[in-house]
Amino acid sequence: NAGVTQTPKFRVLKTGQSMTLLCAQDMNHEYMYWYRQDPGMGLRLIHYSVGEGTTAKGEVPDGYNVSRLKKQNFLLGLESAAPSQTSVYFCASSSTDPLPQHFGDGTRLSIL
Amino acid sequence: GENVEQHPSTLSVQEGDSAVIKCTYSDSASNYFPWYKQELGKGPQLIIDIRSNVGEKKDQRIAVTLNKTAKHFSLHITETQPEDSAVYFCAATIGGADGLTFGKGTHLIIQP
Repeated sequence: NAGVTQTPKFRVLKTGQSMTLLCAQDMNHEYMYWYRQDPGMGLRLIHYSVGEGTTAKGEVPDGYNVSRLKKQNFLLGLESAAPSQTSVYFCASSSTDPLPQHFGDGTRLSIL
Repeated sequence: GENVEQHPSTLSVQEGDSAVIKCTYSDSASNYFPWYKQELGKGPQLIIDIRSNVGEKKDQRIAVTLNKTAKHFSLHITETQPEDSAVYFCAATIGGADGLTFGKGTHLIIQP
């Protein structure tokens, strides 16, 4: 039982570079979410998806794009990375309920 | 949007004593209130949750209470043990939308 798997676990980027974070879940969940966690800020919702082929904006969507081409995968893209996007990124998924949410172990991203 | 306030930010208790963490929320439409435990380097793990039609829920040493009128909910941990040391987050649904709004977290320290 892998649950929610995030890749990569760590990454260092230079300002202006692009990259994609991958989230995969094996629980057949409809809902998937991307959060960022910054010191003293808790977790903030970036984007989410309520099913294959759908995406929606969360609280802090600027500078990010997402895609949900397959039900089990949710991709988070940074088109032109900025130092303000240095953070720990967490993916979560939930069933059709749509709660509770199950989290991955995060991707630690540093942008220099 | 929804706002979730969490207190205290740090809580130190003696092993065997009880710990209480409190949260308030702003959106009266919120109807689901989970609590997550996060250990260093890991993703948040759901420990207990409560829905708006219930006032209290208990699971062994952990309990959650909800006061909808006052818009606050609390986590109670009894007979604390060293393995309870972690950061705890409360959250609430964003009224009328998907996703969660998180508090800023409480660092719980269990003193031997």
